[in-house]
Amino acid sequence: NAGVMQNPRHLVRRRGQEARLRCSPMKGHSHVYWYRQLPEEGLKFMVYLQKENIIDESGMPKERFSAEFPKEGPSILRIQQVVRGDSAAYFCASSRGVQETQYFGPGTRLLVL
Amino acid sequence: DQQVKQNSPSLSVQEGRISILNCDYTNSMFDYFLWYKKYPAEGPTFLISISSIKDKNEDGRFTVFLNKSAKHLSLHIVPSQPGDSAVYFCAARGNRSQGNLIFGKGTKLSVKP
Repeated sequence: NAGVMQNPRHLVRRRGQEARLRCSPMKGHSHVYWYRQLPEEGLKFMVYLQKENIIDESGMPKERFSAEFPKEGPSILRIQQVVRGDSAAYFCASSRGVQETQYFGPGTRLLVL
Repeated sequence: DQQVKQNSPSLSVQEGRISILNCDYTNSMFDYFLWYKKYPAEGPTFLISISSIKDKNEDGRFTVFLNKSAKHLSLHIVPSQPGDSAVYFCAARGNRSQGNLIFGKGTKLSVKP
């Protein structure tokens, strides 16, 4: 049973470009969460999605960031017009239900030049 | 303002001895607490959790204690092994209907042979 998969593992973008981060949840999990970790910090919640629905986006910056979890395919975190401050590790987690344990993927390390 | 605090950035322990990692929280509405372990360049790995209706949960070498009146929890690892060397994150679930986790900044544990 494969765990949570994220790709790419590393992503380098120049300022102003778009970054697309993908997350495939564990088999049987329909709840997906995105977190961001800045250097020397803990993980910060960004957004919680179920299939085709955004449940909670209270941690998402209001501009440039968006997330989706389509009926088919992985969840996508999109960052438009990236800036240096977006450089961080982005982790995806999935769970079977909202009160179930969240299992994390290996993360995508985004570097904005 | 940090709702989950891990006040010790690092901890060094001799192999075979007990490791005690501490975590404090401020929000009395938290109902579920988790510990994750993280190696460099990997995602967090779930270790153990505890519901707010309990004061102790044990799983092999890992035990989590919860003191609700003090808003404090701790993770005990005994005996500690060199492979336990990692960053340990304490997390709390803030809302039963939303499920997003609130993380501390982590404690880096080093277990010396």
